[in-house]
Amino acid sequence: NAGVTQTPKFRVLKTGQSMTLLCAQDMNHEYMYWYRQDPGMGLRLIHYSVGEGTTAKGEVPDGYNVSRLKKQNFLLGLESAAPSQTSVYFCASRRQGAFGNTIYFGEGSWLTVV
Amino acid sequence: AQTVTQSQPEMSVQEAETVTLSCTYDTSESDYYLFWYKQPPSRQMILVIRQEAYKQQNATENRFSVNFQKAAKSFSLKISDSQLGDAAMYFCAYRTTSGTYKYIFGTGTRLKVLA
Repeated sequence: NAGVTQTPKFRVLKTGQSMTLLCAQDMNHEYMYWYRQDPGMGLRLIHYSVGEGTTAKGEVPDGYNVSRLKKQNFLLGLESAAPSQTSVYFCASRRQGAFGNTIYFGEGSWLTVV
Repeated sequence: AQTVTQSQPEMSVQEAETVTLSCTYDTSESDYYLFWYKQPPSRQMILVIRQEAYKQQNATENRFSVNFQKAAKSFSLKISDSQLGDAAMYFCAYRTTSGTYKYIFGTGTRLKVLA
């Protein structure tokens, strides 16, 4: 039972490069989220999705794009990476409805932009 | 908008002792969920305990319990018989039961357990 899997786990980018983080969940969850974690700031929501083909902006969406073409996958893209995007990125998912109030996290992806 | 505040950036506890981590939140909603998550050095987020706002009884999970004070908007986590493996960052989180489906996290409290 893999749960929520993030790829890659570590990446170093040069300023201006682009990349995509992949999140895959095998729990048939409707809702998926991308957070970033920075020291002293907790987790901040970048984008989220409430179902296949839908996405919405969170607290800090600038500089990121997302897509949810398949229910099990939620992609986070950086079109032109900046040093301010150096962070640890977490993907998460949960089921729809009252019983889906537990959110499951991936193990995190460390991104450094130099 | 809802906010979650953890005013203790770092706490220390002696092994086998009890420690309480504080969390306050602000909301105009009457129904919501509250959570405590543990993040060990491996960085994976692990659910510790959750509380539904409509339940007056405080949630407990083995050595972990909460003190939920709805009127005061307070949600503290008590860890009894602290163990070395409890050392981690702890995050308090709020989730609405309607609309936006978003989780709001506090800034975290780093717990050190002293042998």
